[in-house]
Amino acid sequence: DTGVSQDPRHKITKRGQNVTFRCDPISEHNRLYWYRQTLGQGPEFLTYFQNEAQLEKSRLLSDRFSAERPKGSFSTLEIQRTEQGDSAMYLCASRLLSMGPTLLWYYGYTFGSGTRLTVV
Amino acid sequence: GIQVEQSPPDLILQEGANSTLRCNFSDSVNNLQWFHQNPWGQLINLFYIPSGTKQNGRLSATTVATERYSLLYISSSQTTDSGVYFCAVERRFPSDSGGSNYKLTFGKGTLLTVNP
Repeated sequence: DTGVSQDPRHKITKRGQNVTFRCDPISEHNRLYWYRQTLGQGPEFLTYFQNEAQLEKSRLLSDRFSAERPKGSFSTLEIQRTEQGDSAMYLCASRLLSMGPTLLWYYGYTFGSGTRLTVV
Repeated sequence: GIQVEQSPPDLILQEGANSTLRCNFSDSVNNLQWFHQNPWGQLINLFYIPSGTKQNGRLSATTVATERYSLLYISSSQTTDSGVYFCAVERRFPSDSGGSNYKLTFGKGTLLTVNP
């Protein structure tokens, strides 16, 4: 178990450019989440995947944001035409949900180290 | 949506002191986690504690779900304990496609500084 990996750790980009972040979850985890954290605040939910299906998107995720999780493995988060307000830490998390005969078993979230985006 | 309030917002301790951090939440929750965010931004899972009490070394946590609060205890604090402590609650919410989904909602955190 190597944990949740995110790449890159830091990204500085000019306003208007596109950026893409990658997240590699823990291999046996079937759910993958993206969160965004701004200075002095707790992380806020952006979107999540059950295997390769994107099941929920927050209103925070404007049309300039798109996330994918091909084949239910790693995930990418792309921001098009970046704005200064996009500057934040982007965090990825994964977890395992397993289904028994009558119950769903939930396990805790494991977060990656994040990608710190600065838009200049 | 559910509100998560953490107190105190800031805490300064001398090494060796004990402390209690509190998390109140506004509605029933399915799960609760405590995280420590280190100065490099890494969120480290401390406890997954929807109810009851757990201990891990110098840290312990108690969640009283019926009264909608959780406490994190840090004993004999060390400088490496410095950072932001987040409480996050998970609650079922209806999904756009029908059925239910679960989302983690964070408080604003407690900034802990432990001085040598």
